[in-house]
Amino acid sequence: DTGVSQNPRHKITKRGQNVTFRCDPISEHNRLYWYRQTLGQGPEFLTYFQNEAQLEKSRLLSDRFSAERPKGSFSTLEIQRTEQGDSAMYLCASSLRGEGSSYEQYFGPGTRLTVT
Amino acid sequence: AQSVTQPDIHITVSEGASLELRCNYSYGATPYLFWYVQSPGQGLQLLLKYFSGDTLVQGIKGFEAEFKRSQSSFNLRKPSVHWSDAAEYFCAVGRVRGSQGNLIFGKGTKLSVKP
Repeated sequence: DTGVSQNPRHKITKRGQNVTFRCDPISEHNRLYWYRQTLGQGPEFLTYFQNEAQLEKSRLLSDRFSAERPKGSFSTLEIQRTEQGDSAMYLCASSLRGEGSSYEQYFGPGTRLTVT
Repeated sequence: AQSVTQPDIHITVSEGASLELRCNYSYGATPYLFWYVQSPGQGLQLLLKYFSGDTLVQGIKGFEAEFKRSQSSFNLRKPSVHWSDAAEYFCAVGRVRGSQGNLIFGKGTKLSVKP
């Protein structure tokens, strides 16, 4: 069990550019979540997948955001036309959803995005 | 709507002293409850969880938490704090019904430890 990994760890971009983040969940976990955390706040839910299906999206996920999990393994989160308000830590988590599972989510180290 | 309140933004305790971090939640049924810890620049590590059964749950690093339904609380405790416990602590509630699985977090409590 190598844990949840996220790449890159840090990303600095100019306003208006597109960025993409990757998350690799714990290998046997079928659920994958994206959260956003701004300074002084707790993580806020963005979206989650069960296998390759995107089951829920928060109202925080504007049209500029898109997430995919094409083969039910890793996931990508893309932000188009970045704005300064997108500057945050983007956290990925995974969990096992199934009979007898215990629902806890395991988090990766996050990708810190700075939009200049 | 579901919500989590952590009333204390910042707490400072002396090393070796006891600790209690408060968490209150608003939820229509018995929730799943979690405490996570986050060191600077890092992701979140699960300390402990409550799903059902015994209302006093034990976690890692010597932490425990008690679920009190009547008070809608899930306070985190540790009898003797170590300098390495300095971090930010987040309480979270998980939705139980349907297919939803996302967590709702409080704003966190930053713990500082005095030598």
